[in-house]
Amino acid sequence: DGGITQSPKYLFRKEGQNVTLSCEQNLNHDAMYWYRQDPGQGLRLIYYSQIVNDFQKGDIAEGYSVSREKKESFPLTVTSAQKNPTAFYLCASTGTVENTYEQYFGPGTRLTVT
Amino acid sequence: AQSVTQLDSQVPVFEEAPVELRCNYSSSVSVYLFWYVQYPNQGLQLLLKYLSGSTLVKGINGFEAEFNKSQTSFHLRKPSVHISDTAEYFCAVTRNFNKFYFGSGTKLNVKP
Repeated sequence: DGGITQSPKYLFRKEGQNVTLSCEQNLNHDAMYWYRQDPGQGLRLIYYSQIVNDFQKGDIAEGYSVSREKKESFPLTVTSAQKNPTAFYLCASTGTVENTYEQYFGPGTRLTVT
Repeated sequence: AQSVTQLDSQVPVFEEAPVELRCNYSSSVSVYLFWYVQYPNQGLQLLLKYLSGSTLVKGINGFEAEFNKSQTSFHLRKPSVHISDTAEYFCAVTRNFNKFYFGSGTKLNVKP
């Protein structure tokens, strides 16, 4: 089955450590996204990539970094510069379904930093 | 840039009652509109979308939404809710499928 895989589901880190969240898709989608979700704030865009080896900052990119070396993979690194990293992180991709676009989401990774 | 407003952060409703979840957007250009559902600790699942054509859109699980261009609204409705509809619902908008903008979400709590 095609879909988006995020691992791990739960991640715990100590303050000051960088951590990388994995996102893999086998939908053959060109565009991939990272969102951060906090209670009552909806989804906020961190980074997005429309094509391999290219990506753009979203609304809250500070303290995060990404890479897009392969079409299937879009890992997100939460650096120690991110002041409040504890959140639920969602990866998504966009592609065509019956000649229309849809955005698909992974199951998410809940990151807790103490 | 577009913005999306979901006025109700929480909506309590009894089982088998009708429900409406409100969504308003701001944009000076044509947009595409979506409703997603999220169950606890899961990703988002598409309920329905408006791209063009009929302003009444039917989705999965008996939900429907009506696009109202003059009022810039895209309210979600269901005539009779079930306990299993308890979840958080997000409205989203995009102009060109490059960036999507999401509302802050509405938690639907269906009571027996």
